[in-house]
Amino acid sequence: DTEVTQTPKHLVMGMTNKKSLKCEQHMGHRAMYWYKQKAKKPPELMFVYSYEKLSINESVPSRFSPECPNSSLLNLHLHALQPEDSALYLCASSQEVNRVYEQYFGPGTRLTVT
Amino acid sequence: AQSVTQLGSHVSVSEGALVLLRCNYSSSVPPYLFWYVQYPNQGLQLLLKYTSAATLVKGINGFEAEFKKSETSFHLTKPSAHMSDAAEYFCAVSGETSYDKVIFGPGTSLSVIP
Repeated sequence: DTEVTQTPKHLVMGMTNKKSLKCEQHMGHRAMYWYKQKAKKPPELMFVYSYEKLSINESVPSRFSPECPNSSLLNLHLHALQPEDSALYLCASSQEVNRVYEQYFGPGTRLTVT
Repeated sequence: AQSVTQLGSHVSVSEGALVLLRCNYSSSVPPYLFWYVQYPNQGLQLLLKYTSAATLVKGINGFEAEFKKSETSFHLTKPSAHMSDAAEYFCAVSGETSYDKVIFGPGTSLSVIP
């Protein structure tokens, strides 16, 4: 199984809502990532979890809160978002092989903030 | 800091013609380099990776890339374009700050003309 799954596929939320994005992988990977991608732009790294601990936070606003409950699951909790936060949110996982992290991406959650 | 540039935000080729997508990198350490493809409304998929084992790297779907240290380049090629190759292509680099942090280039949109 080389699949990363993400739910939901689409999400529309108001600026006062609280919602969560979910990501799951069963490849035994110990690194998991959240990226934000705007249209026609490359993915921007938000967070990295390594062995279930937050290892990289790219100065992301606190209205985004990541959580890694176990080695297979990664959540992104959303609260009080702004319209400019509308984007495709991608999850990825990877395993180190000789210092190379080959990332496997999920299909993404298309988020619209109204 | 590590960075990636991709010459040409949009490339058009005829079906059956050579595909050449350009990538140049900047790195203070020997880099690990990747090419990813993103089809519309999907996540990213790894095409190939350079890990210093061989300068000519073969990937999936008939793509290959050559690492040229003297030119700091890692251009992606395919001898004969197929309609299904139309997508967004991202070159990426890792290895400077941490091995699990991948820096993506701005992307090149490939169109294939019948």
